[in-house]
Amino acid sequence: QKEVEQNSGPLSVPEGAIASLNCTYSDRGSQSFFWYRQYSGKSPELIMFIYSNGDKEDGRFTAQLNKASQYVSLLIRDSQPSDSATYLCATRGGSQGNLIFGKGTKLSVKP
Amino acid sequence: DAMVIQNPRYQVTQFGKPVTLSCSQTLNHNVMYWYQQKSSQAPKLLFHYYDKDFNNEADTPDNFQSRRPNTSFCFLDIRSPGLGDAAMYLCATSSQQGSEQYFGPGTRLTVT
Repeated sequence: QKEVEQNSGPLSVPEGAIASLNCTYSDRGSQSFFWYRQYSGKSPELIMFIYSNGDKEDGRFTAQLNKASQYVSLLIRDSQPSDSATYLCATRGGSQGNLIFGKGTKLSVKP
Repeated sequence: DAMVIQNPRYQVTQFGKPVTLSCSQTLNHNVMYWYQQKSSQAPKLLFHYYDKDFNNEADTPDNFQSRRPNTSFCFLDIRSPGLGDAAMYLCATSSQQGSEQYFGPGTRLTVT
């Protein structure tokens, strides 16, 4: 059974700090990784995707992938209260290459 | 703006009364997905269409059916909703299987 694991949190950080969200996956053959943000009662919103080892930056967000360790992370710099949400990690690996989602990590940014 | 639209946003149905949820997209994506998401859980894939090809997940109950009459529209039919089917139903699209998915706003289903 291919799995994506995330710490459910809540992860609490002060405003302006760096929030670090982590995700591990079981399928060593996974090639594509996605981070979604989901506000309470809303649908998931794609933030970033990463395919290659290393870092990928987009504004305040940085995705980091380490395939050898089967680990992907999302860093949020200068965290804002509006970043408070659940962050879902997903990887391609389901039947016919569909996405497998983790349960998400709840982030709370305190003013 | 290209987008994924779901209607209705909120649906209340009675136990056992059939209900249909709809999804449309202006992204011209080949793949459309239906997910069920319950509180504090990951989205659970019910089925997907790659163009006209229907793909059912092995553990999707027979109570759930889907139709895709054309590229833009996809429907989720719940034939006899039970209390356990109360959830957020999410439609998503992607250009290809395994590529990034874009979600609609979801339909919150309540079963009374």
